[in-house]
Amino acid sequence: GAGVSQSPSNKVTEKGKDVELRCDPISGHTALYWYRQSLGQGLEFLIYFQGNSAPDKSGLPSDRFSAERTGGSVSTLTIQRTQQEDSAVYLCASSFLARGNTGELFFGEGSRLTVL
Amino acid sequence: GENVEQHPSTLSVQEGDSAVIKCTYSDSASNYFPWYKQELGKRPQLIIDIRSNVGEKKDQRIAVTLNKTAKHFSLHITETQPEDSAVYFCAAQGNDMRFGAGTRLTVKP
Repeated sequence: GAGVSQSPSNKVTEKGKDVELRCDPISGHTALYWYRQSLGQGLEFLIYFQGNSAPDKSGLPSDRFSAERTGGSVSTLTIQRTQQEDSAVYLCASSFLARGNTGELFFGEGSRLTVL
Repeated sequence: GENVEQHPSTLSVQEGDSAVIKCTYSDSASNYFPWYKQELGKRPQLIIDIRSNVGEKKDQRIAVTLNKTAKHFSLHITETQPEDSAVYFCAAQGNDMRFGAGTRLTVKP
């Protein structure tokens, strides 16, 4: 597709269940980010993948959160044993890094997670 | 890691007035500073960016300034219009891209 695709767009789950959120970045983009946005709040950095380098996991809030990126393309964010405070919109963004390893981030529509 | 602070958190201006949003960053190695606009219920989108070798950049009614010595950068919107109402995020890229907490701008007609 032409843009960053995320699924599901909405997910309602019960406390304690595991969830998987998927991100399909723009083809050819080597950088992929996950951010969390709670209602009316900012963009909280979670994890960053760049090419074949080890991911920057410094933003993951707890060991219940993990992410992987297979084949340098699709990424999955997994939240185990969900808690109510995990409720938020999870945004994925990808970038084709240009000079100085910088470049515009293109965001997906996000996955809205509600934990009951 | 990088820490980006953004002020003010909310800003209300009259149509036609100017709006200024300020950000500071902590990592002197950061070299790219984009600004994103997020309208209600939509994804953030880039509106302007500046790299560390430039002090100022302008695009129509929007301008961004960067002071590397002081580690701060600002967004200036002139002749504001109601459609400028949105949440604006600054960001700084060093090892990764970190965002400020956002500024909710309201332009009153």
